[in-house]
Amino acid sequence: DGGITQSPKYLFRKEGQNVTLSCEQNLNHDAMYWYRQDPGQGLRLIYYSQIVNDFQKGDIAEGYSVSREKKESFPLTVTSAQKNPTAFYLCASIEGPSNQPQHFGDGTRLSIL
Amino acid sequence: AQSVAQPEDQVNVAEGNPLTVKCTYSVSGNPYLFWYVQYPNRGLQFLLKYITGDNLVKGSYGFEAEFNKSQTSFHLKKPSALVSDSALYFCAVRDPGGYNKLIFGAGTRLAVHP
Repeated sequence: DGGITQSPKYLFRKEGQNVTLSCEQNLNHDAMYWYRQDPGQGLRLIYYSQIVNDFQKGDIAEGYSVSREKKESFPLTVTSAQKNPTAFYLCASIEGPSNQPQHFGDGTRLSIL
Repeated sequence: AQSVAQPEDQVNVAEGNPLTVKCTYSVSGNPYLFWYVQYPNRGLQFLLKYITGDNLVKGSYGFEAEFNKSQTSFHLKKPSALVSDSALYFCAVRDPGGYNKLIFGAGTRLAVHP
């Protein structure tokens, strides 16, 4: 079955440490997105990528970085500059036409040690 | 600015009763609207969308939504609630700025009691 795989499911970060969240899709979708979910705040867009080797900042990009070297992969790095990284992170992808829904992975929960 | 409002943090309903989860939006141009459901520690699952056409949209698991342009609303409904419908529901609108970005509401927690 096609889908989006996020790993790990749970991740713990120490002070001053960078951590990378994995997102892989086998849907052959061009566009991919990273969201952060905090209780009572809905989903906020961190970064998005429309094609390989291209990505743009979303609404809350500070303290995060991404890469898009392959169509199926869009890893997110939470850097030490992100002072409040505890959240649920969701990756999504979409087929080309804009009337299609985004497909979501099952998320990674990041906590501070 | 484009935005989505879900005015209720939580909706409580008895099993077998009809349910409504409210959503209003503010966006320039014609809206593309979506409803998603999220179960604990899971991603979002797509329920239904409105792009154009009939104002009543039918989706997965018996859910439907009514688009009302004059009231800028897109309320989610189900005629008979199930305990298994208990989850977090998100309304979203496509950002007219492009790139298929979505703007999400804060979410509404639906609790269906036996």
